[in-house]
Amino acid sequence: EIVLTQSPDTLSLSPGETATLSCRASQSVSSIFLVWYQQKFGQAPRVLIYGTHNRAKGVPDRFSGSGSGTTFTLTINRLEPEDCAVYYCQQYGTSPTFGQGTKVDLK
Amino acid sequence: EVQLVQSGAEVKKPGESLRISCEGSGYSFNDYWVAWVRQLPGKGLEWMGRIDPKQSESRYSPSFEGRITISADKSMKTAYLQWDSLVASDTATYYCARRSTGLDVWGQGTTVIVSS
Repeated sequence: EIVLTQSPDTLSLSPGETATLSCRASQSVSSIFLVWYQQKFGQAPRVLIYGTHNRAKGVPDRFSGSGSGTTFTLTINRLEPEDCAVYYCQQYGTSPTFGQGTKVDLK
Repeated sequence: EVQLVQSGAEVKKPGESLRISCEGSGYSFNDYWVAWVRQLPGKGLEWMGRIDPKQSESRYSPSFEGRITISADKSMKTAYLQWDSLVASDTATYYCARRSTGLDVWGQGTTVIVSS
């Protein structure tokens, strides 16, 4: 089973700043199968980025994804209050797994 | 509108059985796998398994194999998650989701509370 480790656990930033979230895999992940989700409090998750760098429909271009192999990154530019949420990476190869999540909150 | 609608919250006793449901609409139900994801209170997301409705073929995470059954009724456009004997640690919110490019459509979640 591929273990995904996200860092940091919590990120506290000011509005307008840039958030950089990391997702490291215990073994190589196909870029096609790396996804990022956003989950706001009390809501179901929603997909933000799929295939490492493709934004899902309706996702602002402030969100971008990058990476390959065992290291992937979600970048959120110009943070807004509505971005307060927990962000999860997921690989959905043969035996899918999620990272433990990074909580983003604003100072 | 593409959506997945899940059955309502459940309160059960340890040892009881349970089946929760997830009805798809607005798309061809047979053409997309349906996954189930667990979220323990205050915790992260855990992949439980998925079903291919067309083939009625299920695959499970090793962490859940043997403890749950995932099934689907094509005619009803509905997927199911079932337990034969619940334990207190099954208390969680359970989501179904459509597998496309990732899990692109999610149900609203079903809260299951197991308590004596």
